[in-house]
Amino acid sequence: QKEVEQDPGPLSVPEGAIVSLNCTYSNSAFQYFMWYRQYSRKGPELLMYTYSSGNKEDGRFTAQVDKSSKYISLFIRDSQPSDSATYLCARTSYGKLTFGQGTILTVHP
Amino acid sequence: GAGVSQSPSNKVTEKGKDVELRCDPISGHTALYWYRQSLGQGLEFLIYFQGNSAPDKSGLPSDRFSAERTGGSVSTLTIQRTQQEDSAVYLCASSLAGDRAHSGNTIYFGEGSWLTVV
Repeated sequence: QKEVEQDPGPLSVPEGAIVSLNCTYSNSAFQYFMWYRQYSRKGPELLMYTYSSGNKEDGRFTAQVDKSSKYISLFIRDSQPSDSATYLCARTSYGKLTFGQGTILTVHP
Repeated sequence: GAGVSQSPSNKVTEKGKDVELRCDPISGHTALYWYRQSLGQGLEFLIYFQGNSAPDKSGLPSDRFSAERTGGSVSTLTIQRTQQEDSAVYLCASSLAGDRAHSGNTIYFGEGSWLTVV
């Protein structure tokens, strides 16, 4: 079993839709959870990070962690064509960042 | 520089040749990471440096892969006797400190070195 599992999609939604991206993880060791966004032929950039269970909001983005079920989610409200990218969930424990496979998202006008 | 710098940005090499990929981290960042991303795949961890030492090199796929870091700054990833399955994007990242990720320890990625072995 991979440490972080993520549905690769692809996911295609109309502009303005609410997008839900999800990951599960298997290791309960001390860790932070992160979401990265990667545009084509670019390096990943950090969107959000969180440690505790619950929700964390930043503009149109909400990261959610449920440690009891080992489930992490990213919600994008009012999605825009510029949100089209690959979204990678990750967990970090003592310096090592482990990524999910990434979900390819396309937001069409 | 302002960000993590990697070179070359693109490299095409013949099977069996050796390649060197360079990473220049953000100034002052003590932690440096190498990842590999194959087409349609997530990021695969290769090696992590804290200063010049590598406490975790568990991700190096074979003994053809090696990495070093000198002066606590620039790192070089070397692939010997390249194979076609080595074709991938090799991403370097750095952070202020590698013992844990927290609000002041964001991990920043470079644009990657795109390696094609023909």
